[in-house]
Amino acid sequence: DTGVSQNPRHKITKRGQNVTFRCDPISEHNRLYWYRQTLGQGPEFLTYFQNEAQLEKSRLLSDRFSAERPKGSFSTLEIQRTEQGDSAMYLCASSLSDRPYGYTFGSGTRLTVV
Amino acid sequence: QKEVEQDPGPLSVPEGAIVSLNCTYSNSAFQYFMWYRQYSRKGPELLMYTYSSGNKEDGRFTAQVDKSSKYISLFIRDSQPSDSATYLCAMGLSGNTPLVFGKGTRLSVIA
Repeated sequence: DTGVSQNPRHKITKRGQNVTFRCDPISEHNRLYWYRQTLGQGPEFLTYFQNEAQLEKSRLLSDRFSAERPKGSFSTLEIQRTEQGDSAMYLCASSLSDRPYGYTFGSGTRLTVV
Repeated sequence: QKEVEQDPGPLSVPEGAIVSLNCTYSNSAFQYFMWYRQYSRKGPELLMYTYSSGNKEDGRFTAQVDKSSKYISLFIRDSQPSDSATYLCAMGLSGNTPLVFGKGTRLSVIA
């Protein structure tokens, strides 16, 4: 197991375009989290899944954002009609529900909206 | 007031120094307290995982939690240049809510 994998590592997109990021968690981890981090800030929670169920969404997650975790394995985060304010590092983490805060993070996807 | 406050630094120390990193918080319901280390352009890496009050030691790292003061600390002994990174504190409630992170403190250990 190589840990949490995120693709792509970098994405540059024009304002108004749609983007999709993928996260592959550690295989036995049933919880998966998405966070967003901007320069000089700590990660901010976006949403999390237990298996395929999306259990919580932050109010930061506008209706332009959608996340899925079909079959409880990998997850995708889609941003529609991107805005410059969406530029950030998008981090994915996974954990076991019996050690819920033992997050393992991926290296993130850095999004730049121009 | 943010739920978790952390001085962003930067903090610069000589190699071998003892480093003290701190966070305060406002929500007395937090029960879980974590420290993560984040190198540039990488995801955070879990360093210390503690529940409730008290101390926990792991090698050169010691985490302290004082719930009465709503204050947590991370001490790094015999600091090394490889410890240069951003240190994030994070806190959780019940296990079924997501972690809340501080802003992070950027640490530089100078050889």
